Amino acid sequence: ELKVEQNPLFLSMQEGKNYTIYCNYSTTSDRLYWYRQDPGKSLESLFVLLSNGAVKQEGRLMASLDTKARLSTLHITAAVHDLSATYFCAVDVKAAGNKLTFGGGTRVLVKP
Amino acid sequence: GAVVSQHPSWVICKSGTSVKIECRSLDFQATTMFWYRQFPKKSLMLMATSNEGSKATYEQGVEKDKFLINHASLTLSTLTVTSAHPEDSSFYICSARPGNSNQPQHFGDGTRLSIL
Repeated sequence: ELKVEQNPLFLSMQEGKNYTIYCNYSTTSDRLYWYRQDPGKSLESLFVLLSNGAVKQEGRLMASLDTKARLSTLHITAAVHDLSATYFCAVDVKAAGNKLTFGGGTRVLVKP
Repeated sequence: GAVVSQHPSWVICKSGTSVKIECRSLDFQATTMFWYRQFPKKSLMLMATSNEGSKATYEQGVEKDKFLINHASLTLSTLTVTSAHPEDSSFYICSARPGNSNQPQHFGDGTRLSIL
């Protein structure tokens, strides 16, 4: 059974500082996704990572994938209040019918 | 970009009522749609995979008679919560994948269901 673990579950950030969220998964993955969810809202797609060594960046967020270590990271640079949200990683495995398995989520609160 | 519309966005109803939630892909055809359930401050849990023209595949522990799924066309899947009770209150989110399985899923805006 595929397991996806995120840590930390909660991250209190200070504005201007850098932080990293980790996502570990237990079996070979075809794709890894990062999503953002604001309270009461659905998911907003941030990144899709397809291959080992893949790195994608958008604004203050950067995601990377190490398929050998089965690890993805979401790095936040110089955190700002607008980044407060819950972040989820999810893994897609073809052999499992392309179902997404989600991590537990990381709740991020950026304080001034 | 691919858009998935989910309706209603919010519903409150009495215990014992059946509630239908619609998930539509607006600008693409989706042979596969997925239904998720999310409890407060928790992650998304896949309930079932909906395949156009065939029976849905339910995840372990999900009651198929309680959560009826119909995927009658390439752009519409419905989830009906039958005889809803307060414990069915939750946030339900659908997603749709364009025909090619290599395409990522696109998520609807979710439906907040509150059963009194």
